[in-house]
Amino acid sequence: SQQGEEDPQALSIQEGENATMNCSYKTSINNLQWYRQNSGRGLVHLILIRSNEREKHSGRLRVTLDTSKKSSSLLITASRAADTASYFCATSNYGQNFVFGPGTRLSVLP
Amino acid sequence: EAQVTQNPRYLITVTGKKLTVTCSQNMNHEYMSWYRQDPGLGLRQIYYSMNVEVTDKGDVPEGYKVSRKEKRNFPLILESPSPNQTSLYFCATRLGGRAFFGQGTRLTVV
Repeated sequence: SQQGEEDPQALSIQEGENATMNCSYKTSINNLQWYRQNSGRGLVHLILIRSNEREKHSGRLRVTLDTSKKSSSLLITASRAADTASYFCATSNYGQNFVFGPGTRLSVLP
Repeated sequence: EAQVTQNPRYLITVTGKKLTVTCSQNMNHEYMSWYRQDPGLGLRQIYYSMNVEVTDKGDVPEGYKVSRKEKRNFPLILESPSPNQTSLYFCATRLGGRAFFGQGTRLTVV
């Protein structure tokens, strides 16, 4: 059963702008992760936020988590053409499998 | 370097011809999993393994088999491939809240 749902499905922005992607999920989680996928390649882990955390930063990435709304957002600041990729959220609960959403396809135009 | 290695990267085969996609990891992770990725559907789990000789069905196991005879290897077997199994396949390991993906195998069944 699909848990995470990213929004929007696709996003086009200019280089230098900020990109925000959202993820909603349905059941309890103990953590939420964001992954990046360059075209046709494996997913690469970006950041993990635990259910007791509200915000986390890593370089130009900022992730928020609102467990009351069962949602998370990924903000990429000062985007670059190299940020063009698909971004996926994944949720997991204790001992259970990761569930991935369909992803947001981000295009950063030079 | 920590790696999940899949082979082959690309494969075109005919309906009904048995094939195996190999997956090997050098991180000594207990958990391994196979996903397929199709446009608009995100990643769907096929099978997973919590440890040697322990395998379980994921969300879309029909038409697939797996085995886990040793910790490092987790091959995906298609006994009689059909065109609806044309997809991009990923092997992944997991440690804690993070997944590590192979580079993917693009399979076409004609």
